[in-house]
Amino acid sequence: DAGVIQSPRHEVTEMGQEVTLRCKPISGHNSLFWYRQTMMRGLELLIYFNNNVPIDDSGMPEDRFSAKMPNASFSTLKIQPSEPRDSAVYFCASSTDEGSYEQYFGPGTRLTVT
Amino acid sequence: AQKITQTQPGMFVQEKEAVTLDCTYDTSDQSYGLFWYKQPSSGEMIFLIYQGSYDEQNATEGRYSLNFQKARKSANLVISASQLGDSAMYFCAMRDVYNQGGKLIFGQGTELSVKP
Repeated sequence: DAGVIQSPRHEVTEMGQEVTLRCKPISGHNSLFWYRQTMMRGLELLIYFNNNVPIDDSGMPEDRFSAKMPNASFSTLKIQPSEPRDSAVYFCASSTDEGSYEQYFGPGTRLTVT
Repeated sequence: AQKITQTQPGMFVQEKEAVTLDCTYDTSDQSYGLFWYKQPSSGEMIFLIYQGSYDEQNATEGRYSLNFQKARKSANLVISASQLGDSAMYFCAMRDVYNQGGKLIFGQGTELSVKP
């Protein structure tokens, strides 16, 4: 089975530009998570969805960040306008609501904002 | 608030030896889950092992075992017979059971280096 798929794997953009990160969760998983990883702050949850509904977006840094999950197999994280401090690795993860709830991570998107 | 603490920023171990990575947690919840993830230099996050707060036995997965001491609020990862491929960052994480969907809170990580 395919794991969590993220695109693009790398993104380099200029400050002020819009950035859209994409994620396809594992089929059958009904929870989806967006994390950001930086050296300074480590791994932090930005937002998560359950059954396509946003449950907790308290980790979204500010209004420049938005996330959507229009259906069970696709989610986007958008940054508009982007700033250099947004440079990080953004992970998408998914899980089921059964068992141990372990989350399976995608390969990540390395975002660089210049 | 829930918190995960990993006090060892870096660890060294000789190949074929066992190593213990420390993790302590803080929660007021009675029901929670504890996880370990491995992040090699390539960057992906790999799920290793899970321990539920009500599990009476320590979890094991191959060469990985979790030394769960509930009263001390510790969930240390033990890697037996270390291999060069075990060199990576290791993250301890906790799940808040009462948040729908299972939000994970991560520690800062321990970088393990395996020497030949």
